[in-house]
Amino acid sequence: GESVGLHLPTLSVQEGDNSIINCAYSNSASDYFIWYKQESGKGPQFIIDIRSNMDKRQGQRVTVLLNKTVKHLSLQIAATQPGDSAVYFCAENMWSGGSYIPTFGRGTSLIVHP
Amino acid sequence: NAGVTQTPKFQVLKTGQSMTLQCAQDMNHNSMYWYRQDPGMGLRLIYYSASEGTTDKGEVPNGYNVSRLNKREFSLRLESAAPSQTSVYFCASSVNRGEQAFFGQGTRLTVV
Repeated sequence: GESVGLHLPTLSVQEGDNSIINCAYSNSASDYFIWYKQESGKGPQFIIDIRSNMDKRQGQRVTVLLNKTVKHLSLQIAATQPGDSAVYFCAENMWSGGSYIPTFGRGTSLIVHP
Repeated sequence: NAGVTQTPKFQVLKTGQSMTLQCAQDMNHNSMYWYRQDPGMGLRLIYYSASEGTTDKGEVPNGYNVSRLNKREFSLRLESAAPSQTSVYFCASSVNRGEQAFFGQGTRLTVV
């Protein structure tokens, strides 16, 4: 099966910088994407999602961009804070058999230096 | 509102022992999942239950069984634990399959 991958396993930034976490997917049939944040010792938490009929979606300090042409997804975090340090996962979902099939990527570790 | 509750949080088993991981959600979600997470890897789906009364295999089902006891509860059983099953296990639920999932805090399982 096709899988979700991440360009960078670890990203280090300074507090206040903007962070960009990338995700590549290879399944052109995927049409729904979710970003999760996982802090150390905790379960993943939903951050933001985007459907394939959109190319951008904004939340509080986060923006997700979707480029279907090159099958690329990114999560932008504005004014990164130490509390943003975590592992970030993208999950792609393909509609099949009346429901979505979710597949998680390996994750990117974001380290924010004060 | 507790969300998704997993028990136990930590467990050490000897090879060959059996145990059941418990999961309960109070959000009236239809779908529930069991994932395992190994170091440096993403979440891999073990089993899922799209709705009450149904269960299906995920990516890595071998060595596990599940029971969707009712809409709230979804348990994962290891019949004969093996060291390869050492991992962190997460239960999750969503309104419907593949949608935004809510995760429990995880169960750290070590098989020696």
